[in-house]
Amino acid sequence: RKEVEQDPGPFNVPEGATVAFNCTYSNSASQSFFWYRQDCRKEPKLLMSVYSSGNEDGRFTAQLNRASQYISLLIRDSKLSDSATYLCVVKSGGYNKLIFGAGTRLAVHP
Amino acid sequence: DAMVIQNPRYQVTQFGKPVTLSCSQTLNHNVMYWYQQKSSQAPKLLFHYYDKDFNNEADTPDNFQSRRPNTSFCFLDIRSPGLGDAAMYLCATSKSGTYEQYFGPGTRLTVT
Repeated sequence: RKEVEQDPGPFNVPEGATVAFNCTYSNSASQSFFWYRQDCRKEPKLLMSVYSSGNEDGRFTAQLNRASQYISLLIRDSKLSDSATYLCVVKSGGYNKLIFGAGTRLAVHP
Repeated sequence: DAMVIQNPRYQVTQFGKPVTLSCSQTLNHNVMYWYQQKSSQAPKLLFHYYDKDFNNEADTPDNFQSRRPNTSFCFLDIRSPGLGDAAMYLCATSKSGTYEQYFGPGTRLTVT
């Protein structure tokens, strides 16, 4: 079983739609959680951290459910520029080691 | 602007011919990482340096080596590239005590 699992998608949505992605992780001792965004053939970039109480950044809302070991990302009012792959990331173990999911691809169309 | 730079952006090498990828950073971060990412897959951590301490992942093949001569530079050496080593190689940095990793643009390696 992979440490971090995501639905690969693609999620094809029209502009203005609300879309949600989920991610599950296997290590119950995982400490910190993030969503990274990766554009096609580019490097990953931090989108937002995920806090236990849930957090929001503009149109993006992240939630953490430790009991069920899943993380979610909600995008409201989708823009064409939101088209990318969204990587679920978990900090596990020592140092600054991050475990990446394979990503969920989002395609927003006009 | 402070950043992570990778050279070259594209590298073509022959099967079995050693190749070196380079990474430099102006962020003055003490942790540097090398990841391998294949198409539609997660970035896979190969190894990282915490200051001068080298940390190899258990499943990283011996074919992959790394050097960090100073804080700013880190190199990935592939001693005998195979066709299965064709991938995007990403360098990243972070500051100890924080978890955000800053990635370079990557080097896309092709093995012929």
